[in-house]
Amino acid sequence: AQSVSQHNHHVILSEAASLELGCNYSYGGTVNLFWYVQYPGQHLQLLLKYFSGDPLVKGIKGFEAEFIKSKFSFNLRKPSVQWSDTAEYFCAVTRNSGNTPLVFGKGTRLSVIA
Amino acid sequence: GAVVSQHPSWVICKSGTSVKIECRSLDFQATTMFWYRQFPKQSLMLMATSNEGSKATYEQGVEKDKFLINHASLTLSTLTVTSAHPEDSSFYICSARDHGVSGYTFGSGTRLTVV
Repeated sequence: AQSVSQHNHHVILSEAASLELGCNYSYGGTVNLFWYVQYPGQHLQLLLKYFSGDPLVKGIKGFEAEFIKSKFSFNLRKPSVQWSDTAEYFCAVTRNSGNTPLVFGKGTRLSVIA
Repeated sequence: GAVVSQHPSWVICKSGTSVKIECRSLDFQATTMFWYRQFPKQSLMLMATSNEGSKATYEQGVEKDKFLINHASLTLSTLTVTSAHPEDSSFYICSARDHGVSGYTFGSGTRLTVV
């Protein structure tokens, strides 16, 4: 079975600091990879996704992620965080075949302090 | 873009009663929908995969008789929490594969509180 690991449970950063959130998955086949954000009291919002092609993916709000197949990783990065980035971030994976569900990591809470 | 409408957005019910949550794909056909459950400050846990015209596939540990799923059409899946108990209180979210830009579209979720 697939599994997704997000190693950072809670990250606290000052504004303008750089961010990197780790995500590793266990499935050995072809995968589709996603990062979602959930702001307090709101539903999930897609930040970015990787299906194929360039392993460096750029998403909304200045976020990017790099797919490293050899490391089974899809880490999320942002060069300079803002207070408004305070939220819960979820990495998700699915097999690249048919109508398979997304499997989510446990999430990383990001707190950005002014 | 693809839109999934989930209703109700919140519901309070008494213990022992049943609650039905609807999930509709508004502008695309969804042969498969997924139901997740999210506890406060935790991740989304897949409960079941809902298939149009056939039985749902439940994840290990999810009681199929308690969480009834019906996917009678290509645009509607329902989750009924039967004989609800306070421990069923949670945030329930549906999702569908939209085969478009985002890949997966999520409903806005239903917050269930059982008192």
